[in-house]
Amino acid sequence: EAGVAQSPRYKIIEKRQSVAFWCNPISGHATLYWYQQILGQGPKLLIQFQNNGVVDDSQLPKDRFSAERLKGVDSTLKIQPAKLEDSAVYLCASSFSGGARNTQYFGPGTRLTVL
Amino acid sequence: SQQGEEDPQALSIQEGENATMNCSYKTSINNLQWYRQNSGRGLVHLILIRSNEREKHSGRLRVTLDTSKKSSSLLITASRAADTASYFCATDAGAQKLVFGQGTRLTINP
Repeated sequence: EAGVAQSPRYKIIEKRQSVAFWCNPISGHATLYWYQQILGQGPKLLIQFQNNGVVDDSQLPKDRFSAERLKGVDSTLKIQPAKLEDSAVYLCASSFSGGARNTQYFGPGTRLTVL
Repeated sequence: SQQGEEDPQALSIQEGENATMNCSYKTSINNLQWYRQNSGRGLVHLILIRSNEREKHSGRLRVTLDTSKKSSSLLITASRAADTASYFCATDAGAQKLVFGQGTRLTINP
């Protein structure tokens, strides 16, 4: 079974530029998550999709971050304009469905450096 | 904000020794999960323990859960160099949402 795919793996941009990350979840997984992981910290949930609908985006800085999941499969996360504090690893994860088990499968992440 | 807090933040032991990491959390949970993250990689699910369970084993891993103290521990027995990684607890309080702690950075010295 193929895992969660993310691209690019690394991205370096200057502040005020825009950037987009792509994620393809495991086939059949209805729930997709985007996390931000700052160096030395645990992942922080940015947005959660169930199929193509948003379940939770309470911690997404909506003035600069946006995300979509067209057709309930792959997803893109965009930052525009980027700030220095956005430097982090952006992780995508997916899970089969909800319920008590909710095991999430993570992609390798995109390491973003904002200069 | 992050619910789980791991302790210690960093742990360095000799190969073959046991490693114990602790996690405390604040609210009621459905289950608690432990994940491993190797340097520069994504997270890998290790083990899940439900709120009505007290102990669970998987290979060299042993997880305990004390809901009265809102705490969990992860024990790795007979550690190996390949166990060097960061370990995170994550609590599932509902809505298919996990809240991760800050992690414990484990180093196994040969």
